[in-house]
Amino acid sequence: GQNIDQPTEMTATEGAIVQINCTYQTSGFNGLFWYQQHAGEAPTFLSYNVLDGLEEKGRFSSFLSRSKGYSYLLLKELQMKDSASYLCAVRLSGGSYIPTFGRGTSLIVHP
Amino acid sequence: ETGVTQSPTHLIKTRGQQVTLRCSSQSGHNTVSWYQQALGQGPQFIFQYYREEENGRGNFPPRFSGLQFPNYSSELNVNALELDDSALYLCATFQGFVGSTDTQYFGPGTRLTVL
Repeated sequence: GQNIDQPTEMTATEGAIVQINCTYQTSGFNGLFWYQQHAGEAPTFLSYNVLDGLEEKGRFSSFLSRSKGYSYLLLKELQMKDSASYLCAVRLSGGSYIPTFGRGTSLIVHP
Repeated sequence: ETGVTQSPTHLIKTRGQQVTLRCSSQSGHNTVSWYQQALGQGPQFIFQYYREEENGRGNFPPRFSGLQFPNYSSELNVNALELDDSALYLCATFQGFVGSTDTQYFGPGTRLTVL
């Protein structure tokens, strides 16, 4: 079976840095996505990692280690609007585009 | 705005009824996936259509069925509704081909409540 683990909930302070971890054990791997989802809304794409290393995109960065089955999403200079669920999803094989999602991490940013 | 629309926004049904949900894809996107998202969970893959053919299916019973039309819009049909079918149903589209790394774009979802 496929197993994708994320913490259920995290809290952080406005202006701080937070790291959301994701570990996976899947049959096949062809990339890892991070999505942001505000309550009652659709997920929006944040990042896609295929190769090991860190990808930076503004305040958000995503890291992947394929050998460790591990990724993290780093959010800097947190803002209140960053309060949302963050979904880690693994793409299992190259021939299809069917991400398998984790349960998501609910991030609460407080003043 | 992703250019993906879904209808209706909200729907209330009773057990045993049937429901049809609709998704219109962003222009040029020939692949559509449907997901079920229960409260507090990540989206669970139901199935995917590529150029009107089913291209993959998750662990959902046959009472979940779908269609994709020549204009790439899509329907999700659920028969014999059960209480556990209450969820947010999301469709996501992208321009698909083997090895594509393009991202998929989600619609706003349909909130289905089964009483």
